[in-house]
Order: sequence, then structure tokens, then C-alpha cells
Amino acid sequence: KAGVTQTPRYLIKTRGQQVTLSCSPISGHRSVSWYQQTPGQGLQFLFEYFSETQRNKGNFPGRFSGRQFSNSRSEMNVSTLELGDSALYLCASSLAGVRGYTFGSGTRLTVV
Amino acid sequence: AQRVTQPEKLLSVFKGAPVELKCNYSYSGSPELFWYVQYSRQRLQLLLRHISRESIKGFTADLNKGETSFHLKKPFAQEEDSAMYYCALSSGDSSYKLIFGSGTRLLVRP
Repeated sequence: KAGVTQTPRYLIKTRGQQVTLSCSPISGHRSVSWYQQTPGQGLQFLFEYFSETQRNKGNFPGRFSGRQFSNSRSEMNVSTLELGDSALYLCASSLAGVRGYTFGSGTRLTVV
Repeated sequence: AQRVTQPEKLLSVFKGAPVELKCNYSYSGSPELFWYVQYSRQRLQLLLRHISRESIKGFTADLNKGETSFHLKKPFAQEEDSAMYYCALSSGDSSYKLIFGSGTRLLVRP
């Protein structure tokens, strides 16, 4: 079966712009989580969605937001980009929670 | 506060030598612990979780609640084990998130 698909793979944006990243989970998975990975801070939890409801949110500013659609696909949005937002953004899906995470390859965002 | 500590950034061993990747956690409740691995140019993938008590690719890990540790062990390292290893914790309640350690790069030399 197809894995977790994240698009685009690479993205270059300018400070102040906004960006939308997409994640298509494994078929049948209803939980989608997002993580930010940077060399300095490592892997940090952004938020998790289940059946279109956000169940938990990490310690990130309000510029980071997300949503989930009825087909379980998820998007995350970052507004007013800052240089420090440059990172690899990972999406993970599972049937119901953290035990069965499958990660995508990530979207590498570079803010210049 | 919940925290996962992996004290070694890099662990270098020779092929055939035993490996132990250290992981300590801070959590007052009953956590669930995981090990994830990321091979070069591949996505992050689950290696094992403590509730399953399984052995994957020769790796095992035992949860020691007294020492709050979840060290990853393998008796004989192989070159293909070279990768980045992350220890992660879930609070096991309805938090629906993982807290990751900073990772340890394992380098197995021939």
C-alpha cells in the first residue's frame, strides 16, 4: 500500500511569505501528526489531527496552523515566515495514535 | 516536564562489537517508549516499542522504570546498522504526541 506522501518535497520561500504543506496519510489512517525537525532543536511536535479535529498542539506560535479534511488528508500552514522556520517538516499517520506512526519523507522548507 | 535524553551524539563501534545506545527519560507517569531509526536518505521508521517486547534486526530494549532508561542494545553490530537512532516517549494518555530525544548517530566500522 502507498505510504505517507508529503508535497512538495522542497520549498524555498522569502521572509514574510506564507506556505502550505500537504500530507496524504496511508489509506485508512485517520490520525495525522506534524513534526518540525531542525539541527538545533531536533524533532518537535507541532499538532495532531483525528477525524478533522485537532487533539493536541505543540508549543509553536500561532503562525503555525493546520487542518484535516474529511478524507484524512492534512495541510499545515505557516504565515509570516521567519528565517528560523527553515526546517524539515515531517508528517506521520496512524490508525489512532502514536503507537503505529508511519512517517513521510518530509518537506524541506528553506526561508531566505 | 517530559524529556528524553540521549547523551551520545555519535557512537562509533567496529563490526561485530556490542552496541548500546543510551536513552533516559523524565516522566512521572507510565510512559510508552519507542526507538526510531533513520537510515541515510530514508524516512524515519519505527524500530521497536517497549510494550511489544520484540526484537527487530537483532536490537532489543528494556524499559527500566527505576533508572528511567530505555537503552537500545545489539550484541553484534553490522555495518548496515549505521544510522541515526531516536528514542521517543509518549505519555500514554491522550496526548497523541511523541517527545523525541536529540538522536545518536551510530557508525559501524568494518
